[in-house]
Amino acid sequence: DAKTTQPTSMDCAEGRAANLPCNHSTISGNEYVYWYRQIHSQGPQYIIHGLKNNETNEMASLIITEDRKSSTLILPHATLRDTAVYYCIAEKPNTGNQFYFGTGTSLTVIP
Amino acid sequence: KAGVTQTPRYLIKTRGQQVTLSCSPISGHRSVSWYQQTPGQGLQFLFEYFSETQRNKGNFPGRFSGRQFSNSRSEMNVSTLELGDSALYLCASSLDAGLYTEAFFGQGTRLTVV
Repeated sequence: DAKTTQPTSMDCAEGRAANLPCNHSTISGNEYVYWYRQIHSQGPQYIIHGLKNNETNEMASLIITEDRKSSTLILPHATLRDTAVYYCIAEKPNTGNQFYFGTGTSLTVIP
Repeated sequence: KAGVTQTPRYLIKTRGQQVTLSCSPISGHRSVSWYQQTPGQGLQFLFEYFSETQRNKGNFPGRFSGRQFSNSRSEMNVSTLELGDSALYLCASSLDAGLYTEAFFGQGTRLTVV
């Protein structure tokens, strides 16, 4: 599985967009980029995933560079409830949820 | 629909004992995975069960085992508990259909070994 690199921590003002970067320079052609987040003392929560096209859902947008070596998760209007650890994962599909979570980015949304 | 249910939520055990944790997946989900989360090592994959068979296994000693029943419910067992087994144990379920895997996690069982 491709390893990912994320900043250890980030701050974002409430109501502003939070842009969380992820580097996955060794990603292989069939590995998807997944984003999960973990709010304190809860289980991780799926946010979004993509292969090579940009993706958007009700929670966030995922921008993947054309060479697929990096991506950015965008929370368009961050709220205090978005304070969490965000994990970027590169994984082949159908591997039984055998995710390598890494250390993630601790996002703090500031009022 | 009901989410992934893990029982018990909290557990305190003595070193040397064994423990069994339970996970009930979302209805219709056939894949159940287990993770251990500690402050030092983060989230680490233990194993995954699909249709009552262990399909994937992480790098944990044989003291950690699991099983899955015909209704997809899963249990994990840790024997001869060590202090270092104190952790949050999380289970995740998924449909295991299609090209992608969206995993739904439970709230976890917090195990403390004293």
